[in-house]
Amino acid sequence: DVKVTQSSRYLVKRTGEKVFLECVQDMDHENMFWYRQDPGLGLRLIYFSYDVKMKEKGDIPEGYSVSREKKERFSLILESASTNQTSMYLCAIPDRGRTGELFFGEGSRLTVL
Amino acid sequence: AQSVTQLDSHVSVSEGTPVLLRCNYSSSYSPSLFWYVQHPNKGLQLLLKYTSAATLVKGINGFEAEFKKSETSFHLTKPSAHMSDAAEYFCVVSEANFNKFYFGSGTKLNVKP
Repeated sequence: DVKVTQSSRYLVKRTGEKVFLECVQDMDHENMFWYRQDPGLGLRLIYFSYDVKMKEKGDIPEGYSVSREKKERFSLILESASTNQTSMYLCAIPDRGRTGELFFGEGSRLTVL
Repeated sequence: AQSVTQLDSHVSVSEGTPVLLRCNYSSSYSPSLFWYVQHPNKGLQLLLKYTSAATLVKGINGFEAEFKKSETSFHLTKPSAHMSDAAEYFCVVSEANFNKFYFGSGTKLNVKP
């Protein structure tokens, strides 16, 4: 079974704090994605990475950065958290067999006070 | 550029009646299209996918979707709704190489007894 593990299920942070969200996969896949999910907006792509140290902005990268130092690990960083970054964050990888199916982590629910 | 429009944010049906969830897409390429379902407080699950084979695609739990290129649509249907179908449904379009996935804003399906 594909395993996508997000390190924190629930976080509460204060405005201005630096936040790290980590995602680890066991599929040795080049591609990894970070999405945020908000009611009525669906899932929006923040960043994706297509290999170690390679990254590309998604649709809403402002206020976020990412790090991919090892193939299995893709980190999302909020340099200075703001209340409008309160959301559910989902990490995903596509199926290795190239069926197009996305496998998601359990999600990290971040609340910024 | 690719995008997905789910035409209804909420759909309400009675148990045993047909379900229709509408999705239109725009794509510069031959797209791959997906429907995902998310039950309350659960992760996303793949319902079905179209990847340039048969235009009528059958998925899990009795759902189907038809790819209509001329109408740029990929509507999700089910002949008879069940209470367990109450969930949020997301239409997704992907580039041919599965490097990016674009989600619709979601349709919440309510099933009345």
